[in-house]
Amino acid sequence: DTGVSQNPRHKITKRGQNVTFRCDPISEHNRLYWYRQTLGQGPEFLTYFQNEAQLEKSRLLSDRFSAERPKGSFSTLEIQRTEQGDSAMYLCASEQGGRQNEKLFFGSGTQLSVL
Amino acid sequence: AQTVTQSQPEMSVQEAETVTLSCTYDTSESDYYLFWYKQPPSRQMILVIRQEAYKQQNATENRFSVNFQKAAKSFSLKISDSQLGDAAMYFCAYRPYGQNFVFGPGTRLSVLP
Repeated sequence: DTGVSQNPRHKITKRGQNVTFRCDPISEHNRLYWYRQTLGQGPEFLTYFQNEAQLEKSRLLSDRFSAERPKGSFSTLEIQRTEQGDSAMYLCASEQGGRQNEKLFFGSGTQLSVL
Repeated sequence: AQTVTQSQPEMSVQEAETVTLSCTYDTSESDYYLFWYKQPPSRQMILVIRQEAYKQQNATENRFSVNFQKAAKSFSLKISDSQLGDAAMYFCAYRPYGQNFVFGPGTRLSVLP
């Protein structure tokens, strides 16, 4: 168990560019979540996968955002045509599921800065 | 709407002393979980303690314990014998069973030597 891994740790991009982040969850975890966190705030839910199926998306997730989890393993979050308001920490979390396992394990996040 | 409130943006405690962080939540659900997560500077968020709403007994994890008042919808975290490594942002979170987490805005805890 190596924990939840996110890459890159930091990303600086110019407005209008596309960016993609990767998350590798804990291997036996079938649920994967993406959150966004801005300075001084708690994480805000973006989207959720159970295995490869994307089961829920927040209204925060505009059509510029897309997430995938092919084969139910790693996940990617892509932001197209980035805007300065997209600057934030993007957190990935995973959990095994089931009543006794309802707790999230977080990655270290990807800090996005849009110039 | 389900909300989580942490009324103390910042707290400080002397090393080896005890501190209590407050959290209240708003819900109409009866089956839910409550959590405290810790986020040290530039490091990942880790689970401190978890409480099932159907359990009356307050959860404890070593120096960390909670005071869960279901009727008052209150879930405070007590840290005993505070250590320098306890300095971090602490987030209270609420989760109705089978639904997503709702996080509070956080409390920044400083530990003074």
